[in-house]
Amino acid sequence: AQSVSQHNHHVILSEAASLELGCNYSYGGTVNLFWYVQYPGQHLQLLLKYFSGDPLVKGIKGFEAEFIKSKFSFNLRKPSVQWSDTAEYFCAVNAGAGNNRKLIWGLGTSLAVNP
Amino acid sequence: ETGVTQTPRHLVMGMTNKKSLKCEQHLGHNAMYWYKQSAKKPLELMFVYSLEERVENNSVPSRFSPECPNSSHLFLHLHTLQPEDSALYLCASSQEWATTNYGYTFGSGTRLTVV
Repeated sequence: AQSVSQHNHHVILSEAASLELGCNYSYGGTVNLFWYVQYPGQHLQLLLKYFSGDPLVKGIKGFEAEFIKSKFSFNLRKPSVQWSDTAEYFCAVNAGAGNNRKLIWGLGTSLAVNP
Repeated sequence: ETGVTQTPRHLVMGMTNKKSLKCEQHLGHNAMYWYKQSAKKPLELMFVYSLEERVENNSVPSRFSPECPNSSHLFLHLHTLQPEDSALYLCASSQEWATTNYGYTFGSGTRLTVV
């Protein structure tokens, strides 16, 4: 079955530290990849997405993610985190063919940035 | 505001009550979704409507009954719920169903507590 795995469930960083959150998926066909963020008490919002082309995707607020097809990975990175990046981060993969195409979600990673 | 509005934000209901959750979008999207977000679980897709027709029902108990009277409104009718149904219920919309290449727009959710 298709699945999305986020390896880090809880991450604690100090401001200015670099961030990398792992995301791996299991599906051999064409995928669309997403990272969503949920700030405390707020709605889920799209951080960045990959459809095709350049595997290095830039998103909002200085985030980026790299699609490595051979590793079935789509890790999220930010060179220098801020306290305001404290949030829950979800990786999602749109996989399947035709009407069976589904958006599959990871469990999420809780990021706490200490000032 | 995201463009997807959910009401109420919080709901406490007894197991014998009947209540409804409401979702409204004026983004011109053709697909709408109900998700359940519980702690330590991936987002669970409950129902999908495309052009007002239910296209997906992921083995959701009959105590949850969706309704989509038009492309802008989506309801989730609740009756005889169980305490384990307590969760954050999220509504989302997308331009089209199944392709979802543009990602979803989420509402802020309804925090449901069943007592």
